[in-house]
Amino acid sequence: ETGVTQSPTHLIKTRGQQVTLRCSSQSGHNTVSWYQQALGQGPQFIFQYYREEENGRGNFPPRFSGLQFPNYSSELNVNALELDDSALYLCASSPSPGEPYEQYFGPGTRLTVT
Amino acid sequence: AQSVAQPEDQVNVAEGNPLTVKCTYSVSGNPYLFWYVQYPNRGLQFLLKYITGDNLVKGSYGFEAEFNKSQTSFHLKKPSALVSDSALYFCAVRDGSGGGADGLTFGKGTHLIIQP
Repeated sequence: ETGVTQSPTHLIKTRGQQVTLRCSSQSGHNTVSWYQQALGQGPQFIFQYYREEENGRGNFPPRFSGLQFPNYSSELNVNALELDDSALYLCASSPSPGEPYEQYFGPGTRLTVT
Repeated sequence: AQSVAQPEDQVNVAEGNPLTVKCTYSVSGNPYLFWYVQYPNRGLQFLLKYITGDNLVKGSYGFEAEFNKSQTSFHLKKPSALVSDSALYFCAVRDGSGGGADGLTFGKGTHLIIQP
């Protein structure tokens, strides 16, 4: 059974640029959630994808967007990067959005915005 | 809105002693509660969860947690700490009536340091 994988591991971007982060869900999981973890903080929910549709969203602006593909992998896109977007971005997958399943997290992508 | 409070930034325990990491929560519906552990430069690893039923839940690596509805708490415990338990621990909550679409709400984390 393959766990959640994320790419790239690290990324450095300049303010105003755009970035795409990628996530492959665990085998058998059709739901993907994205979180932002700033330094010294707990993860904050960005949004969730289920059946290729956004299924819920946290308090993040529209410049944070995503996609989910038929194989359940997902992308997080951030436009017009700001310095405060520097964080660890975590992807998590689960078998279903509605059941009380735990979410399984990937190792994260460390984004630095300069 | 749901929230989680972890009142201690750091907990220090001697190896072999019992440990407790505190968590209180606020949610409008039925709470689904989780504990995760994070090692440096790693993602989060699931430890245990409370959904319903017995208030004492057992999880990975000898950890357990006690759900207390009246105190809205879900403290993480272990009878005998190991140095390898040293890590960052997160408590998280989800509203069980929310259909899962609102994601998990995490506390700010507690650094657990086990001293040899």
